Amino acid sequence: NAGVTQTPKFHILKTGQSMTLQCAQDMNHGYLSWYRQDPGMGLRRIHYSVAAGITDKGEVPDGYNVSRSNTEDFPLRLESAAPSQTSVYFCASSSWTQGASYEQYFGPGTRLTVT
Amino acid sequence: SQELEQSPQSLIVQEGKNLTINCTSSKTLYGLYWYKQKYGEGLIFLMMLQKGGEEKSHEKITAKLDEKKQQSSLHITASQPSHAGIYLCGAVFNQGGKLIFGQGTELSVKP
Repeated sequence: NAGVTQTPKFHILKTGQSMTLQCAQDMNHGYLSWYRQDPGMGLRRIHYSVAAGITDKGEVPDGYNVSRSNTEDFPLRLESAAPSQTSVYFCASSSWTQGASYEQYFGPGTRLTVT
Repeated sequence: SQELEQSPQSLIVQEGKNLTINCTSSKTLYGLYWYKQKYGEGLIFLMMLQKGGEEKSHEKITAKLDEKKQQSSLHITASQPSHAGIYLCGAVFNQGGKLIFGQGTELSVKP
């Protein structure tokens, strides 16, 4: 199993441009999340999905959109990038089921710079 | 998150020394998770604690959760350069709740 994969690893965007960060997992996990990591702020959840077709907002969803058309993929879209979205983005998956605690598996991250 | 505080923020130790990282919650924890992150990489799950007083070990790393389930410590015995990285605690406060992270502790081990 590849686990959780993310592409690209690095990217530079100009303000106002759009892009999609890709996340894929091959562990048949239902629960997928996007986090951003910023100095002094720790990890903050952007959006998450408990199953295909179901998405919900995390702590910092503004400026981001997600979709979940299947179990494996969970792309994160920036429609009009802003410098405040410069960050390292992580996708995480888990086999969380109702009533159980869970451990999350993280992708290697995407380092995004918006100029 | 202010709900979860880690200390210290950074730590430099000599190889072979022991060290402890703390994670304190303002609320009772449902589950506590420890992760390690190497620079430029994703997080690696280390251990999960759920019961008050629980203690788990993996190689030279031991994690404990206090009886009140509001504080956890991560102890590394005889540190090695391979232990260097950022250690993050994550917490879930209720069944099915979202995972919240501490701000991390950056560990450097000097050979």
